[in-house]
Amino acid sequence: NAGVTQTPKFQVLKTGQSMTLQCAQDMNHEYMSWYRQDPGMGLRLIHYSVGAGITDQGEVPNGYNVSRSTTEDFPLRLLSAAPSQTSVYFCASSTRAGGIAYEQYFGPGTRLTVT
Amino acid sequence: AQTVTQSQPEMSVQEAETVTLSCTYDTSESDYYLFWYKQPPSRQMILVIRQEAYKQQNATENRFSVNFQKAAKSFSLKISDSQLGDAAMYFCAYRTLYNFGNEKLTFGTGTRLTIIP
Repeated sequence: NAGVTQTPKFQVLKTGQSMTLQCAQDMNHEYMSWYRQDPGMGLRLIHYSVGAGITDQGEVPNGYNVSRSTTEDFPLRLLSAAPSQTSVYFCASSTRAGGIAYEQYFGPGTRLTVT
Repeated sequence: AQTVTQSQPEMSVQEAETVTLSCTYDTSESDYYLFWYKQPPSRQMILVIRQEAYKQQNATENRFSVNFQKAAKSFSLKISDSQLGDAAMYFCAYRTLYNFGNEKLTFGTGTRLTIIP
């Protein structure tokens, strides 16, 4: 299994540009989420999904869009990039198979810089 | 809402010695999960250890163990026989047990651990 993969690893955008961060997992996990990591603030939840076709907002959803058309993929869209969105973005997935909540598996992260 | 506090932004320890990283949390729930994640310079988030709140016994994973004090809402991580590869940022995280769909992890702000050779 590749686990959770993210592309790209690094990205530089200009203010106002849009882009999509890709996330895929091959573990058949029903739950996927996006976090951003900023210095001194830990990781904060942006959006999450409990299955294909179902998404919801986390703590810091403004400026981001998500969709979940398949179990495997959960892309994060930046609609109009702003310098405040400069951050490291992590995708994670987990399962509750058998009713037990297992740990979240994280992708390697995408470092995004908005100038 | 749950909060997680790591009061030690930085810690250092001599190689082969033992170090303890602190974490406290605030919740009104009685059942939940607690985690310690390690983030080395590669940025990858790696699960170190997990504790279910309904379990009395403290979790251990090789050189890593926790001191879980439910009444005090404290969840510290002890690293024994510290190795150079343990140098990383360590995050404490909280997750609710119930409510499928509420899988959110609430993270602390992290503790940067330096290992002195």
